[in-house]
Amino acid sequence: DGGITQSPKYLFRKEGQNVTLSCEQNLNHDAMYWYRQDPGQGLRLIYYSQIVNDFQKGDIAEGYSVSREKKESFPLTVTSAQKNPTAFYLCASSINRERHEQYFGPGTRLTVT
Amino acid sequence: GDSVTQMEGPVTLSEEVFLTINCTYTATGYPSLFWYVQYPGEGLQLLLKATKADDKGSNKGFEATYRKETTSFHLEKGSVQVSDSAVYFCALSDSSGGTSYGKLTFGQGTILTVHP
Repeated sequence: DGGITQSPKYLFRKEGQNVTLSCEQNLNHDAMYWYRQDPGQGLRLIYYSQIVNDFQKGDIAEGYSVSREKKESFPLTVTSAQKNPTAFYLCASSINRERHEQYFGPGTRLTVT
Repeated sequence: GDSVTQMEGPVTLSEEVFLTINCTYTATGYPSLFWYVQYPGEGLQLLLKATKADDKGSNKGFEATYRKETTSFHLEKGSVQVSDSAVYFCALSDSSGGTSYGKLTFGQGTILTVHP
């Protein structure tokens, strides 16, 4: 079955620690995206990558970092510089930048205390 | 910049009544428009889409028509079911052709609860 996997489903960290969220897709999609979801605020774009070894900042990139070394993988690191890291994080992919519908993974809920 | 505005929620309905969730947008160019649905604790699922003016997207009894003259993409269903209870997001794609081409802008979401 083709799809997007995110792991783990729930993640707990202490304040001051960096944490990396996994996102893998076997859809052979070129483009991948990371969103943050907070209650009542919809989805906000953190980073996106339209091709391997290239990525761009989204609307709220501060305190986050990404890499895109392989087409199928787009991990997100939440650094200690992110002031309010507790949120639901969603990864998505699309075939390429011309086909705009995005397909989402199941999400990772990160709690930092 | 691009923006999407959805009707305020939450929306609470009885089973088998008509549903409308309003969505209006502001964008340059000719964006594609989408409705996504999110069930509790899950990711978003693409519900339907429309890529040009007057297109009607439809899926699972839901419909929405791309109205360029009113910059709207309202979601409708003739007879809602308890299983339709979820959060619904309207979104548009950047069509400017720049580096953010294909990027989606989402509305804030509308919570729908359907009672038996």
